[in-house]
Parts: sequence; C-alpha cells; structure tokens
Amino acid sequence: AQSVTQLDSHVSVSEGTPVLLRCNYSSSYSPSLFWYVQHPNKGLQLLLKYTSAATLVKGINGFEAEFKKSETSFHLTKPSAHMSDAAEYFCVAKGYGGSQGNLIFGKGTKLSVKP
Amino acid sequence: DTGVSQDPRHKITKRGQNVTFRCDPISEHNRLYWYRQTLGQGPEFLTYFQNEAQLEKSRLLSDRFSAERPKGSFSTLEIQRTEQGDSAMYLCASSIKAINEQFFGPGTRLTVL
Repeated sequence: AQSVTQLDSHVSVSEGTPVLLRCNYSSSYSPSLFWYVQHPNKGLQLLLKYTSAATLVKGINGFEAEFKKSETSFHLTKPSAHMSDAAEYFCVAKGYGGSQGNLIFGKGTKLSVKP
Repeated sequence: DTGVSQDPRHKITKRGQNVTFRCDPISEHNRLYWYRQTLGQGPEFLTYFQNEAQLEKSRLLSDRFSAERPKGSFSTLEIQRTEQGDSAMYLCASSIKAINEQFFGPGTRLTVL
C-alpha cells in the first residue's frame, strides 16, 4: 500500500536560518508527490509538486524539494525562514490504480519560526 | 473570490442529529473531493466525483455518510445520526481531470456534543 511518512511532527527554526522538513514515501510505482501548507483558518495551499520530470522541484515562497528515488525521500527545504512560513506542512502522494482520485497525506509537520 | 467555498464554516450539533455540508468547487473543475481531518492528523480521503458520478469511496465513509453532486457542480455531504467521533474538519477540493493539483476550500469544522 502507498504511504507517506513525515519524520518530524514539529520543527522549530530561527528566522533567517534554513528549513528542512523530512518526508519518506512508500510506493511500488513512480509516485506523484506534493507538499501542501496549511495556515491557521485557511485552506490547504499547494507549495510544489513532483511528477517524474526534474528531480529538484521549485515551489512558491522560495521552497524547493528534491525527489531521491534511492532514498525514497522528498524533503522540503528553504534557505532562509521567514516568520510568515510558520504553518503546518503536509507531504502528499497521489493514489494510483483503483485509488487514482485521492491524495494520501502524511501526518503533518508543524513549523515554528522564532524571531 | 473564485476559489472553492464551503458552507457552513462551523457546525455544532448534538449526537444523533443529521448534518449537511455544502461545497462549491471552482467553476470549470469537473472533479470534486471530500476529505476529513481530525486534530493532529493529515486529511483522509472520503470520496470523489467526476462530474455527477461518484467514482470512489473510502472505507472511512460509513453507511451514515452520503455525498451527492446532482448536477456536476456543487456537492453536499450528509452525516446521519452523528456520533462524537464524527467531530472533525471536513475539507472539499476540486480539480480538472488529468491535472495533478487539487484546490482546497477552507473546510467545515464539525463539533458533535
């Protein structure tokens, strides 16, 4: 079965320092992978997506993620955190086969940014 | 605002009552999805429609849950005989077939007392 594991439930960084949010996936097929962000009282917003083109994917707000098949990882990074980055981040895989319609979410990583 | 909208944003009900939520997708999107998110967890898929056809249902969607999309535009999700375990955020999303991006609404937060 397809699954997504976010390795940290909470990450805290200082403003201006790098951000690393870790994600591993489990899939028998070449997956479609996404990162979504959820700010309090707002809808989920797509940050970036990987669909078997370039392995380094650039997203909005300076975020990027690298697909590493050998490590089954899709970690999210940003060189310099901003206070507005504080939110919940979800690593997501798209279903396949009989579950093509749905997205499979990790449990989320809450990012805190200290001034 | 041309995004996905959901109504109501909050619903408090007593155990055993029925509730209905509405989702209006982005107008040209032919796919519509429902997810449920409980505290501290990521969203979990419930069901999705392509136009008016319900193509997939999760095992999470018990017999007390029913979803419709009668004209291929807005959708409703009804929960009958609510239980405290139904308390969650119910999220709706829409997409264009064959495009790998789902656009999410703000959600309906259900509290069952």
